[in-house]
Amino acid sequence: NAGVTQTPKFQVLKTGQSMTLQCAQDMNHNSMYWYRQDPGMGLRLIYYSASEGTTDKGEVPNGYNVSRLNKREFSLRLESAAPSQTSVYFCASSGSGTGYGNQPQHFGDGTRLSIL
Amino acid sequence: SQKIEQNSEALNIQEGKTATLTCNYTNYSPAYLQWYRQDPGRGPVFLLLIRENEKEKRKERLKVTFDTTLKQSLFHITASQPADSATYLCALGVWGYQKVTFGIGTKLQVIP
Repeated sequence: NAGVTQTPKFQVLKTGQSMTLQCAQDMNHNSMYWYRQDPGMGLRLIYYSASEGTTDKGEVPNGYNVSRLNKREFSLRLESAAPSQTSVYFCASSGSGTGYGNQPQHFGDGTRLSIL
Repeated sequence: SQKIEQNSEALNIQEGKTATLTCNYTNYSPAYLQWYRQDPGRGPVFLLLIRENEKEKRKERLKVTFDTTLKQSLFHITASQPADSATYLCALGVWGYQKVTFGIGTKLQVIP
């Protein structure tokens, strides 16, 4: 019963470095999401993938890229990290269900990223 | 622009009392609303979903109402326990789209 697994759990980067956050789900869900959570800002959608092979921008996509590698895996890449990207990053997945939309999202436990 | 408001201040209540959390929205016509619980250092966990044509939904000690005229959802925890202490998030969505928009959450502290 792993659900949504995120790696790494913690990371410290220097400004300008790049890294990829990994996410995998074992619930056979079609949709996957990347959020960032900052104090006073709540969860903000960075990118999402409604199904394998598709990705779309969310509310705050600048500075990030994503890859839906297969149905299970959805990665988030920071090409040139900036201090403003210091945050907690959450990956989530959801099924399609009988009614498109309204399916609950299942979250991983996050990656805590600090950029110096 | 669309806006979702939850009390950003913490809500402190005595054990055994009913906790009521509020989610208000403007410039939005959601088809459904979800409530999540988030513990420190953990990801949010789904609790309940209520659709626009439903007035009330219950699950054990939890109750959610949805008033599309007032543009408001209320989340109630009856007979609250210290273990209910957490941050509670509301999320709004529209039909045809899997993505939802989250409020910033309300931190609930149940005092023994």
